[in-house]
Parts: sequence; structure tokens; C-alpha cells
Amino acid sequence: DQQVKQNSPSLSVQEGRISILNCDYTNSMFDYFLWYKKYPAEGPTFLISISSIKDKNEDGRFTVFLNKSAKHLSLHIVPSQPGDSAVYFCAASEGTGFQKLVFGTGTRLLVSP
Amino acid sequence: DSGVTQTPKHLITATGQRVTLRCSPRSGDLSVYWYQQSLDQGLQFLIQYYNGEERAKGNILERFSAQQFPDLHSELNLSSLELGDSALYFCASSPGPSGEAFFGQGTRLTVV
Repeated sequence: DQQVKQNSPSLSVQEGRISILNCDYTNSMFDYFLWYKKYPAEGPTFLISISSIKDKNEDGRFTVFLNKSAKHLSLHIVPSQPGDSAVYFCAASEGTGFQKLVFGTGTRLLVSP
Repeated sequence: DSGVTQTPKHLITATGQRVTLRCSPRSGDLSVYWYQQSLDQGLQFLIQYYNGEERAKGNILERFSAQQFPDLHSELNLSSLELGDSALYFCASSPGPSGEAFFGQGTRLTVV
């Protein structure tokens, strides 16, 4: 049972345009959501997070939107840069504890010059 | 560089064998987490240790075990290996029992 789903395995975007990565979850008890970025041969690195008391969190070019009623979150990258090309994982948990984070399967983003 | 060190980076072994994966957390971090990423799967939480004690357990098989030593490094032991155990195994560490954690580069295990 996949509690966190990233239905798009890949996304291609041109440099300077917006990248939108989507994530759906099924467990209504999740109240903390994170995005991780992973380059080849490296471990995932934390990108941005949002708690369920908010519907938006922004950090530079990265913005995460949370729609609790739809159990959906998205990551917007504006403007996209070639260095953003990586696999992006959505993750969720009950509480802000890192333990037992549930990860999605990832979306591979390719930003072309 | 996250500061979390995992060794070895790659491991190839035969079915039925036993292997040990090692993780050195960031300096000062007391929590160590182990995750498994199989092909086309998300990261699956296996187990967490905090200051030497097991704190949380996920979908860890009985053939797998872990421990955290007094110097806070951790080892994940995988025994009676099967082809399906081939995966990337990640370790992460954090200062406390919860909160943001940082991942190592992972150990790629191939069982043949």
C-alpha cells in the first residue's frame, strides 16, 4: 500500500521555466511533509518542508503547496536551472519526527538549457 | 558532503551470505536511521537507533539486524541474503531523537 505517491516518474522542463512536481498521500494522519533532492551517487538532501498548519512554504526558488482536503502537495521551482536536474522525493510523516518518514518513489526532473 | 559516512559504497555478494554495512554519523549526532531503496521504490524506513538504544522500527526483516555502538557508529547486518535484498541502503543521522536528518551516500548491495 503506497501511502505517498508520485505518479510522474519523470518531468522535462526548459531552463527558466517553472517545474511543478506533484505528490499525493492517502494517510490523513500525516501532518509533516518534506521534499528531498537526490543526485546520482549521492544520498538524498533535504530541500524544503511544510507542516499541515500551513498551505504554502517558500524558500528562494522553491515553494511547496499543501492542499489537505485533496491530500496533495506540490513543489514549484521557479525559475528552473540545469543544476536542478535530479530525482525529487516527496516524504510524509505523523509529527515532525524524522523517524518513519514515508517516501514516494521519486520524480526525475530534467532541466534542459 | 552531509558528514555521514557509509562503507562500503558497493558490495557484491552471493545468495545465502551475510554482510555488514557500516555508518558513521555526523559529529555529535546521536540518532542513526537506516533506509532501504529497492529498484523503482521509495526509501523504506528500516530502523532507528538513538544513543545506543533502538528507538523505532519499520519494515525490517528478521534476517536483518542493526546496532549502534558506544562511539555512535552503527552497523546493519543482513543475513541469508536473497536476490530481492539487492538495493541501496542509506543511513541518516540527526542530533536528537527526531528532527531533520542528513543522509549518507548509501551502500549499493548486489546479491547474485
